[in-house]
Amino acid sequence: DIQMTQSPSSLSASVGDRVTITCRASQSISTYLNWYQQKPGKAPKLLIYAASNLQSGVPSRFSGSGSGTDFTLTISSLQPEDFATYYCQQSYSTLMYTFGQGTNLEI
Amino acid sequence: QVQLQESGPGLVKPSETLSLICNVSGGSISSYYWSWIRQPPGKGLEWIGFIYNSGNTNYNPSLKNRVTISVDTSKNQFSLKLSSVTAADTAVYYCARKYGLPSWFDPWGQGTLVTVSS
Repeated sequence: DIQMTQSPSSLSASVGDRVTITCRASQSISTYLNWYQQKPGKAPKLLIYAASNLQSGVPSRFSGSGSGTDFTLTISSLQPEDFATYYCQQSYSTLMYTFGQGTNLEI
Repeated sequence: QVQLQESGPGLVKPSETLSLICNVSGGSISSYYWSWIRQPPGKGLEWIGFIYNSGNTNYNPSLKNRVTISVDTSKNQFSLKLSSVTAADTAVYYCARKYGLPSWFDPWGQGTLVTVSS
């Protein structure tokens, strides 16, 4: 299985901060990497697909980059509604899709 | 736009079979892949499996012996059956569309909590 490791596991930040979350794959996954945002009691929401493509309707302050094994999700200027848990997910291995353990972004 | 809604019992006894249905509205279930994903309380996301409308399936190897995903195109819905459940199967179960190449999960249903307890 391809293991996905996110860092940090939790992060405290303030409104207006620039925040970066990292996701590392246990083997190269090209750009087969997606990012989701999950708020308490809600389903995950797709933010970024194929490493760097912004899903329709997602604010442009979110961006993704990376390829191979190392990826980042950046929020350029945190807004109050951005405090949530973020997950990365690889789709390189169609035999076994895997998610990172999540990063809890707190105020 | 496509919307998904899970339904099924919220309580299942140990050793019994968990059965859930995902109803797809706002679009046809044909020509897409459909997935189940679960999340134990307070934990991360685990992919369970997916199905294509032709009936082709792929399951998480750790659950493969207990999982069946099927599709009913006449009702525009797909279903999950997980047999021989234990407390470890207690989770919020989400259905989602697997889309694109490389693929991603979007949209998702709201999720349904299934508790395994006697």
